[in-house]
Amino acid sequence: KAGVTQTPRYLIKTRGQQVTLSCSPISGHRSVSWYQQTPGQGLQFLFEYFSETQRNKGNFPGRFSGRQFSNSRSEMNVSTLELGDSALYLCASSYRGQENQPQHFGDGTRLSIL
Amino acid sequence: GEDVEQSLFLSVREGDSSVINCTYTDSSSTYLYWYKQEPGAGLQLLTYIFSNMDMKQDQRLTVLLNKKDKHLSLRIADTQTGDSAIYFCAERYSSASKIIFGSGTRLSIRP
Repeated sequence: KAGVTQTPRYLIKTRGQQVTLSCSPISGHRSVSWYQQTPGQGLQFLFEYFSETQRNKGNFPGRFSGRQFSNSRSEMNVSTLELGDSALYLCASSYRGQENQPQHFGDGTRLSIL
Repeated sequence: GEDVEQSLFLSVREGDSSVINCTYTDSSSTYLYWYKQEPGAGLQLLTYIFSNMDMKQDQRLTVLLNKKDKHLSLRIADTQTGDSAIYFCAERYSSASKIIFGSGTRLSIRP
């Protein structure tokens, strides 16, 4: 069974641009969560999607948004990029996002803002 | 509040046991996890324990949970060079679908 796939692996953008990251969950998994990992703040939860609906959201500004498609694939968008948005963005999937269903992570997209 | 704490570094001799400790604050946590992150990679789920359990063993890994003290530990027996990585402790409580991570413990192996 293929794992969680994130594309692209690396991205370089400049301030003010926007970016879209993609995540394909493990086959059969319907819950997709996004996390931001930085050296200073560690791993922080962005949001979770289930059945094309955002079910939970972390404490990030509105510039961070996401969506989920009917095939459970998810995208995350960041608009008006800032230097502080440089991070590793991780996607995780689980069957239904329930507490007894561990989240499995992809290898992430490393975003660098110049 | 939500907080998970870990020591930042641990150095262990190859072949010895490694013990990585973690404390958490939310007593309503239902599941506690250990993830491993190697350079340039995402998080690999190592093991997890339900909050009504005291111990879970899986090959070289042993997880101990002291719910009264909100203390979780991961013991790696016969530590090998391939175990070099950052280990994250994480908690999840039933009312939310998010996971709260600790800052990670960097495990280094010396010959």
